[in-house]
Amino acid sequence: EVQLVESGGGLVQPGGSLRLSCAASGFTFSSYWMHWVRQAPGKGLVWVSRINSDGSSTTYADSVKGRFTISRDNAKNTLYLQMDSLRAEDTAVYYCERGSTKGFDIWGQGTMVTVSS
Amino acid sequence: DIVMTQSPDSLAVSLGERATINCKSSQSVLYSSNNKNFLAWYQQKPGQPPKLLVYWASTRESGVPDRFSGSGSGTDFTLTISSLQAEDVAVYYCQQYYSIPLTFGQGTRLEIK
Repeated sequence: EVQLVESGGGLVQPGGSLRLSCAASGFTFSSYWMHWVRQAPGKGLVWVSRINSDGSSTTYADSVKGRFTISRDNAKNTLYLQMDSLRAEDTAVYYCERGSTKGFDIWGQGTMVTVSS
Repeated sequence: DIVMTQSPDSLAVSLGERATINCKSSQSVLYSSNNKNFLAWYQQKPGQPPKLLVYWASTRESGVPDRFSGSGSGTDFTLTISSLQAEDVAVYYCQQYYSIPLTFGQGTRLEIK
């Protein structure tokens, strides 16, 4: 079964850090670009970041540039999002997705990040 | 950035009736080299991640019921549900994947009248 499973969310204070993971299975992870999208409570979907298949190229939304770092370990079939200098407005469910010519054809179930003192 | 604007924000339709959701992009998302529109539609039910319904503006994803159809090209797109079922209650999003940053519409909430 093709699957993405996120983990690592939780409660963190403003200015703190968190590292999200996304474990992939059921497909050749190393062949796909991967993305992170977030959704604040009761709000819409916002693209955060993407990484190419071998990890050599990354892109970020302006709102997280310089604070978040996307990476991947193709040997472990895992995608990461290192989030530093977190702000209250980063509070959201974070989803990882498989990118393709179809858009985002596979989504994880999401992991909740809450930034609050 | 390409701005995606959906209309309406919410919609109430009777069971068995047609539902139509519109999506307009601020720039064309038609990729000239392959003549494909890089426009997708997603369905999100409460407490669940989004699910891909339509890609390339009009190609239905495998397993998606044929009552869902997408149309349009360039900057104007439509998602149509031909005969609304109770399980179609959800929020629907369009997304352009033509250029970075990838952007979504604000969502359309579909309810039963």
